[in-house]
Amino acid sequence: KNQVEQSPQSLIILEGKNCTLQCNYTVSPFSNLRWYKQDTGRGPVSLTIMTFSENTKSNGRYTATLDADTKQSSLHITASQLSDSASYICVVGGSNYQLIWGAGTKLIIKP
Amino acid sequence: DTEVTQTPKHLVMGMTNKKSLKCEQHMGHRAMYWYKQKAKKPPELMFVYSYEKLSINESVPSRFSPECPNSSLLNLHLHALQPEDSALYLCASSQDFLVTGELFFGEGSRLTVL
Repeated sequence: KNQVEQSPQSLIILEGKNCTLQCNYTVSPFSNLRWYKQDTGRGPVSLTIMTFSENTKSNGRYTATLDADTKQSSLHITASQLSDSASYICVVGGSNYQLIWGAGTKLIIKP
Repeated sequence: DTEVTQTPKHLVMGMTNKKSLKCEQHMGHRAMYWYKQKAKKPPELMFVYSYEKLSINESVPSRFSPECPNSSLLNLHLHALQPEDSALYLCASSQDFLVTGELFFGEGSRLTVL
């Protein structure tokens, strides 16, 4: 069964600190892996998309890694800001139009 | 312009009402999507239009009726909804209908059914 699991479910860190969010997937065939940021009550915003051949991709203070062998990805946030408080969702592209969504990690940045 | 615009942002309707949600994009994208998102859950795909034709209907009840008048517009007509249909409805678009394409989401329409 195609699944995407994220950990932790929620995370609280202090402003300025770094954090890493995890995503494990069992999706076959694998097309790509995406990370989205979603503020409460708003639409998701794409942070990165990685294909099988890419193992790291950065977007400002966000850096995603992909290990296609172990089927794991991580999203590292550097020097967190209050505006980083949001849900971060890992999404894996499978066959055809399939996108398998994780449940998300809710990140809270405290001043 | 990398925006997907959704209107209205908020909608409250009774179970006997008929209303519509609207979505617009001017990025030249040929695929447009409707998603439904309940609180604390990931978005669930409802419909996909590719080149203005309905390509995917994820077994959505007929009280939801999608329409794609042209390549830039996508509507979702609502009729005889139930309170459990209250959710955030998200429109998205992509260059084409392939799993490799980047999805651009609108801000969503928050629907409350009384």
